[in-house]
Amino acid sequence: RKEVEQDPGPFNVPEGATVAFNCTYSNSASQSFFWYRQDCRKEPKLLMSVYSSGNEDGRFTAQLNRASQYISLLIRDSKLSDSATYLCVAANRDDKIIFGKGTRLHILP
Amino acid sequence: DAGVIQSPRHEVTEMGQEVTLRCKPISGHNSLFWYRQTMMRGLELLIYFNNNVPIDDSGMPEDRFSAKMPNASFSTLKIQPSEPRDSAVYFCASSRSLTWDREAFFGQGTRLTVV
Repeated sequence: RKEVEQDPGPFNVPEGATVAFNCTYSNSASQSFFWYRQDCRKEPKLLMSVYSSGNEDGRFTAQLNRASQYISLLIRDSKLSDSATYLCVAANRDDKIIFGKGTRLHILP
Repeated sequence: DAGVIQSPRHEVTEMGQEVTLRCKPISGHNSLFWYRQTMMRGLELLIYFNNNVPIDDSGMPEDRFSAKMPNASFSTLKIQPSEPRDSAVYFCASSRSLTWDREAFFGQGTRLTVV
């Protein structure tokens, strides 16, 4: 079983809609969680950290459920520029940073 | 800061040749990661270093792969001999270790094609 699992998609969503991704992690010792965004033929870049209490950054909301070992990302009022691959990330105490395979999102005009 | 710098950006080589990929992490970062990305397998962690010491190399696919970090500002990933199935984008990333917000910053990657 992979340490971090995501639905690969693609998710095809009309502009303005709300879309949600989930991700599960297998290592209960994971301490820090993140969502990264990767554009086509580019390197991954941090979108947001995921805190235990949940956190929001504009149209983006991230949630962590430690009991069920899953992380979610919600995008409201989606824009064409949100089209990308979204990577779920878990890091453990020893700084090992593991990425999921990513979920592809296509926002349709 | 210039960010994580990788070289070369593109490499095309013949099967059996030695390939060396290079990485300069962000100054002050003491964790360095090598990842490989393919469509089929996604972003795989190959090896990571903390304070120049290899901590976990369980992701290194075979003995043909080796990585070194002789000092805090330089790391190499070597493949010898290279095979067509090694074709992928290889990313280097660095982060500050032992901090709560452990963001990893990536280089632009090296696109390797082995023919």
